[in-house]
Amino acid sequence: DTEVTQTPKHLVMGMTNKKSLKCEQHMGHRAMYWYKQKAKKPPELMFVYSYEKLSINESVPSRFSPECPNSSLLNLHLHALQPEDSALYLCASSLPSGQGTGELFFGEGSRLTVL
Amino acid sequence: GQNIDQPTEMTATEGAIVQINCTYQTSGFNGLFWYQQHAGEAPTFLSYNVLDGLEEKGRFSSFLSRSKGYSYLLLKELQMKDSASYLCAPREAAGNKLTFGGGTRVLVKP
Repeated sequence: DTEVTQTPKHLVMGMTNKKSLKCEQHMGHRAMYWYKQKAKKPPELMFVYSYEKLSINESVPSRFSPECPNSSLLNLHLHALQPEDSALYLCASSLPSGQGTGELFFGEGSRLTVL
Repeated sequence: GQNIDQPTEMTATEGAIVQINCTYQTSGFNGLFWYQQHAGEAPTFLSYNVLDGLEEKGRFSSFLSRSKGYSYLLLKELQMKDSASYLCAPREAAGNKLTFGGGTRVLVKP
């Protein structure tokens, strides 16, 4: 199984809603990532988890709250978002740095629209 | 932090060769990746260089010079399906931080 699965594929939410994005992989990868991608821009790193611990937070606003409940799952909890947060949210996983090439395997993304 | 520079757009003809250059400055260095991303899809891995030199993988090759902070991706025998964005991504020495350059949009014309 070489897939990273993200749900939901599309999400529309209001600025007062609370929602979550989910990501799952069964490749035994111990590093997992959240990226945000706006149209015609490259993916921007938000968070990195290594061995289920948050290792990188790229100064992301607290209205985005990541969670890694186990080595296969990664969540992104969303609360009080702004319309400018509308984007494609990509999850990725890899072997930790120092093991193999460390290439990232990406999910198909969750397209978020904030009204 | 990282500073990554690659051209915004390139156009080439089917069957031709295109070379996408990338220059970078990183806080330490632990390899450089090239990814392909078709519109509306997730990025997919193309190549990885950690030592200086050329890595060849079918129609795609990637070159790295660490001392110059320079890499290129070479696409040979271009096909229409190669029309996509190509993302240069150096990895920092510490941790798993992979940062993407702005991407080069390649348009292949018949």
